[in-house]
Amino acid sequence: QVQLQESGPGLVKPSQTLSLTCSVSGGSISRDGYYWTWIRQHPERGLEWIGYIHYRGSAYYNPSLRSRAAISVDTSKNQFSLNLISVTAADTAMYYCARYGDGLGWFDPWGQGTLVTVSS
Amino acid sequence: EIVLTQSPGTLSLSPGERATLSCRASGGGKSRYLAWYQQKPGQAPRLLIYGASTRATGIPDRFSGSGSGTDFTLTINGLEPEDSAVYYCHLSNDNPSWAFGQGTRVEIK
Repeated sequence: QVQLQESGPGLVKPSQTLSLTCSVSGGSISRDGYYWTWIRQHPERGLEWIGYIHYRGSAYYNPSLRSRAAISVDTSKNQFSLNLISVTAADTAMYYCARYGDGLGWFDPWGQGTLVTVSS
Repeated sequence: EIVLTQSPGTLSLSPGERATLSCRASGGGKSRYLAWYQQKPGQAPRLLIYGASTRATGIPDRFSGSGSGTDFTLTINGLEPEDSAVYYCHLSNDNPSWAFGQGTRVEIK
């Protein structure tokens, strides 16, 4: 079955760029009907969607993060990535990648998550 | 912009009781899909219900979802200790745009 795994630095300095990659295994990222998604969760708080991308490259972002977030896809590596620029302590969170089934409206599966701390 | 409001914030119930969780939507375009997720400490969320009322694979039938339009409900019949978790609803609309509710914590006494 499809599995997702996040990777990237656990510590990022303020004003720098947070870069994460989600590796997809057990299935191809190049399938219609799915969007590949980044979601974050601040400590002891709820879920916030960051954005999502289709394998053909069309991407959508949470309006609150649109000016700082960029999601890209690499079909040759079966991966998609998140760049978040100009980070502050408010970007400290657990970051999850997940597959979204369009026409079904669910996130499944999820990666295990990776904690990113923004601190000097 | 969609806003999802979940209530109550916390439910404290005994094993065997019924939990009723509410998720109300406001704003945004036409609602398309409503899903519920369960999150236990230290774990990623797990899909419970999609399409407002369809149980995901492997989810016990004590979990059920209902509702349409702007008002949705997750019901857990016969609570078990392992149901202690935070439950989130998620809605997508036709913009496309998404929103998560702020979560309801279910505590088993």
